[in-house]
Amino acid sequence: GAVVSQHPSWVICKSGTSVKIECRSLDFQATTMFWYRQFPKQSLMLMATSNEGSKATYEQGVEKDKFLINHASLTLSTLTVTSAHPEDSSFYICSAIRTSGSGETQYFGPGTRLLVL
Amino acid sequence: AQTVTQSQPEMSVQEAETVTLSCTYDTSESDYYLFWYKQPPSRQMILVIRQEAYKQQNATENRFSVNFQKAAKSFSLKISDSQLGDAAMYFCAYRSLWAGGTSYGKLTFGQGTILTVHP
Repeated sequence: GAVVSQHPSWVICKSGTSVKIECRSLDFQATTMFWYRQFPKQSLMLMATSNEGSKATYEQGVEKDKFLINHASLTLSTLTVTSAHPEDSSFYICSAIRTSGSGETQYFGPGTRLLVL
Repeated sequence: AQTVTQSQPEMSVQEAETVTLSCTYDTSESDYYLFWYKQPPSRQMILVIRQEAYKQQNATENRFSVNFQKAAKSFSLKISDSQLGDAAMYFCAYRSLWAGGTSYGKLTFGQGTILTVHP
């Protein structure tokens, strides 16, 4: 079946540094990917929509300059948390839409846990 | 904008019993998708079941079935013969059928319901 991977699965960084998270669709091409943020025992909050070959669309309240998204190919989207601070510590999840003859299905990556010290 | 509400923060069920998770939503659209996702302790989101609003028949996937009441904007999930592996956080989600542009493919999630299964 379709698989979406994320790398790294776990990252610890110092405050002020930048962290890049990769999201890959392993066996299908995805023109659209999504980035979510999730706090413990809470729902997924959509941060932005990543579109291949164009600028990402950010949800209201999400800082574009802090959460840089690049979707350079049909199988890879990256989220860079710039100048990370402890409040950026969270679980980040990506998803990708696979289109086939039977319709569209959205697949989720396994998530990346970010801890900023 | 659409909203999805799950009014049960936590639910519990005995193994082999049946449990129903509630979900209501608000929309002015007539065509849309509804989903139930499961998020086990691994935190991997897993699609449980999907319902197209234009289909009157309730979707079923093995032990999982939904009660879709379009007029009432209700979409509950019934888990039959509950198993220990069903323990997870369950999310109800909404997606527009025809949304394009910047709204294409967006999912609106409910708050989630934590399901505990007792042996």
